[in-house]
Amino acid sequence: NAGVTQTPKFQVLKTGQSMTLQCAQDMNHNSMYWYRQDPGMGLRLIYYSASEGTTDKGEVPNGYNVSRLNKREFSLRLESAAPSQTSVYFCASSGTGKVSNQPQHFGDGTRLSIL
Amino acid sequence: AQSVTQPDIHITVSEGASLELRCNYSYGATPYLFWYVQSPGQGLQLLLKYFSGDTLVQGIKGFEAEFKRSQSSFNLRKPSVHWSDAAEYFCAAYSSASKIIFGSGTRLSIRP
Repeated sequence: NAGVTQTPKFQVLKTGQSMTLQCAQDMNHNSMYWYRQDPGMGLRLIYYSASEGTTDKGEVPNGYNVSRLNKREFSLRLESAAPSQTSVYFCASSGTGKVSNQPQHFGDGTRLSIL
Repeated sequence: AQSVTQPDIHITVSEGASLELRCNYSYGATPYLFWYVQSPGQGLQLLLKYFSGDTLVQGIKGFEAEFKRSQSSFNLRKPSVHWSDAAEYFCAAYSSASKIIFGSGTRLSIRP
């Protein structure tokens, strides 16, 4: 009963390096999300995918790209990492049916440090 | 713009004492509201949700929350906290187009 799985759990990058964060869910959910969590700022939405084949920008999309590879997988890519992208990244998914009634299920996070 | 405000950054209560965490929302229509809990090093876990009907909703782990439209509030309560309740708590509201807005969180510490 995995739920939402994120890999890797930890990563250290140098400024300018690229990296892809992986996320997979096994709950047959339509919608998937990427957030970043910074101290005192709660969770901020980076990108989301309301359904397979669609992606949309959230509150803080600059410096990121996403791919909804299939219904299960939603990846987040940093093309040229910057120290300001040091954060904890969470992937989430929510189920079928009326979207507003569906709570989000979260992975355990990826702790990313950019030096 | 829609927003969710948690005015308390950090709260400390004694084990066995009652707890109330505050949440205020800014929303035009009746919002869909959630409370999540995050233990250290973990993702967020849903405690409870409000969509309509009874304004007092029960959640997991003995938590409850009351929706008060007149005060634009959705405060989380627990009659008697346990040391294991120490965590960060997030209030959230459904926005639109599949999106949820989160408050900035309240960190709860438990005094032995």
